[in-house]
Amino acid sequence: GDSVTQMEGPVTLSEEAFLTINCTYTATGYPSLFWYVQYPGEGLQLLLKATKADDKGSNKGFEATYRKETTSFHLEKGSVQVSDSAVYFCALQSGGSYIPTFGRGTSLIVHP
Amino acid sequence: KAGVTQTPRYLIKTRGQQVTLSCSPISGHRSVSWYQQTPGQGLQFLFEYFSETQRNKGNFPGRFSGRQFSNSRSEMNVSTLELGDSALYLCASSLMKGETQYFGPGTRLLVL
Repeated sequence: GDSVTQMEGPVTLSEEAFLTINCTYTATGYPSLFWYVQYPGEGLQLLLKATKADDKGSNKGFEATYRKETTSFHLEKGSVQVSDSAVYFCALQSGGSYIPTFGRGTSLIVHP
Repeated sequence: KAGVTQTPRYLIKTRGQQVTLSCSPISGHRSVSWYQQTPGQGLQFLFEYFSETQRNKGNFPGRFSGRQFSNSRSEMNVSTLELGDSALYLCASSLMKGETQYFGPGTRLLVL
């Protein structure tokens, strides 16, 4: 079945550091890929998505590129802020299932 | 356009009681999914409704049930509450089945 593997956290960075959160997936067919973010005490917010190979999703300075050859969708940001501290979830939705498959989430802590 | 709304935001119940949670999807969205989020198990899919019919169901006991109304609003019910039901319950809506899901802020349930 479908699965998503994210790097375990927490990831701890200083403000203005470069961020990478790794995400790899296993799926049948050609899934759509998503990153969601969850701030403390809130629900999940869609951060970005990509629907086909080599697509790049971007939003609020975050980027992720759909790499079919490596089955990856790593999240990157060039300069993180304290306000980026949250839990980040990678997810996929394959053509055969209407239900997204989520990773376990990666906690990001950014220090001033 | 207003986002997904969930009521109540916080709830405290005792073991053996039952609870009903409500979700109003984004206007025009017809599919509603429910998830349970706990620190130990992460995000777990409960069920999905489309056009007032349950289309998919996760691996949860029969104590967990739901329904969807003609205006796409949805409720989920948990009967005979157990301590382990303490969690954040998230509702997500999408325009149609299989499309990008947008999450509400969640209802945090504490069972004492």
